[in-house]
Amino acid sequence: GAGVSQSPSNKVTEKGKDVELRCDPISGHTALYWYRQSLGQGLEFLIYFQGNSAPDKSGLPSDRFSAERTGGSVSTLTIQRTQQEDSAVYLCASRNRGQTQYFGPGTRLLVL
Amino acid sequence: EDKVVQSPLSLVVHEGDTVTLNCSYEVTNFRSLLWYKQEKKAPTFLFMLTSSGIEKKSGRLSSILDKKELFSILNITATQTGDSAVYLCAVDNILRSGAGSYQLTFGKGTKLSVIP
Repeated sequence: GAGVSQSPSNKVTEKGKDVELRCDPISGHTALYWYRQSLGQGLEFLIYFQGNSAPDKSGLPSDRFSAERTGGSVSTLTIQRTQQEDSAVYLCASRNRGQTQYFGPGTRLLVL
Repeated sequence: EDKVVQSPLSLVVHEGDTVTLNCSYEVTNFRSLLWYKQEKKAPTFLFMLTSSGIEKKSGRLSSILDKKELFSILNITATQTGDSAVYLCAVDNILRSGAGSYQLTFGKGTKLSVIP
């Protein structure tokens, strides 16, 4: 595809359930980023992948959050035992050699 | 701690007005400053600024960076209702892990509303 895609676009879940969010970066982009945007807030950096490895996971808010990337392409962000404060828009971005990150449309997560 | 502060947080103007959005920053290992427009969910890229004093221009939008005073402004002239969005400023700085990696630190954004 031409841009970054994310799925699902919207997710409603019950507190305590696990969720998986998916990101398909632009083909050939080696770097992939996950951000979280809570209502009325700026983007909060979560984790960064260079290829399949994640040099910096310090932005993940708790050990309930994890992410992986396989084949240097698709990435999944998993939130275990979701809490209401996890409700936010989760944005993925990819970058190649330039410094510009291109964003996907995001997944809006609502934890009831 | 790295931080990016945008002002104002929100702004309401009439069509045809000119607006100036502000972004100040304090980050280590600065590489560049980026402006994004966010209408629904996905921020779309507007400008990347790396050098002081050089204006970037795209149609009615323009932006400039001052690396000495650590700020940037985004100007929009002859505003239109389609300019209504949240404008995000982000600074690109090297991640703690180094190795050529970097991250974007975002401000909270300025919500611009243009009314007919």
